[in-house]
Amino acid sequence: GAVVSQHPSRVICKSGTSVKIECRSLDFQATTMFWYRQFPKQSLMLMATSNEGSKATYEQGVEKDKFLINHASLTLSTLTVTSAHPEDSSFYICSARFTGGNQETQYFGPGTRLLVL
Amino acid sequence: KQEVTQIPAALSVPEGENLVLNCSFTDSAIYNLQWFRQDHGKGLTSLLLIQSSQREQTSGRLNASLDKSSGRSTLYIAASQPGDSATYLCAPLANDYKLSFGAGTTVTVRA
Repeated sequence: GAVVSQHPSRVICKSGTSVKIECRSLDFQATTMFWYRQFPKQSLMLMATSNEGSKATYEQGVEKDKFLINHASLTLSTLTVTSAHPEDSSFYICSARFTGGNQETQYFGPGTRLLVL
Repeated sequence: KQEVTQIPAALSVPEGENLVLNCSFTDSAIYNLQWFRQDHGKGLTSLLLIQSSQREQTSGRLNASLDKSSGRSTLYIAASQPGDSATYLCAPLANDYKLSFGAGTTVTVRA
């Protein structure tokens, strides 16, 4: 299957700082990428849909000013957690939408574990 | 809003047993349904994708069925191995191309 990478895989930061997470589709172009958050022993929750060349659309309850998304190219989307607080500590996973060959699926990155002290 | 329920939440079996993982979803207007595997602290690996028009899909020891009208899917894993230990996630894809996830079934296969 297609490969999606995330960087960094793990980050520890102080409360009040901003953290940027990158999501890259390595072998296909993705006009749409998705950002999810997963708390321990819970399911993945969709945060936002990242659209190349346009504004991201956020799910209900997700603060767009806190979670800034930029999808500047067909292979890169970034999520910036601004003024991070301990409650933002979580596992963040991105996916890239793949639609080749009558197939409709998403390929997932390996995730980024964020710990805010 | 799509609600996805997976039963059981956890399962522990001896090696060699067959596994049955159940998934139910509330909105039957789906595009397709995927089963994923998630190892602890890792990302997701797609196992099987069933189109909304299909009844089942098979890959090796894995077989997934889909009853779209009743909002159910079942993942069967034959002759389980310790390497099958992971959390399995069911995710129907809505017509707006958004995935909804269940909380998963955590499987432990004892050697």
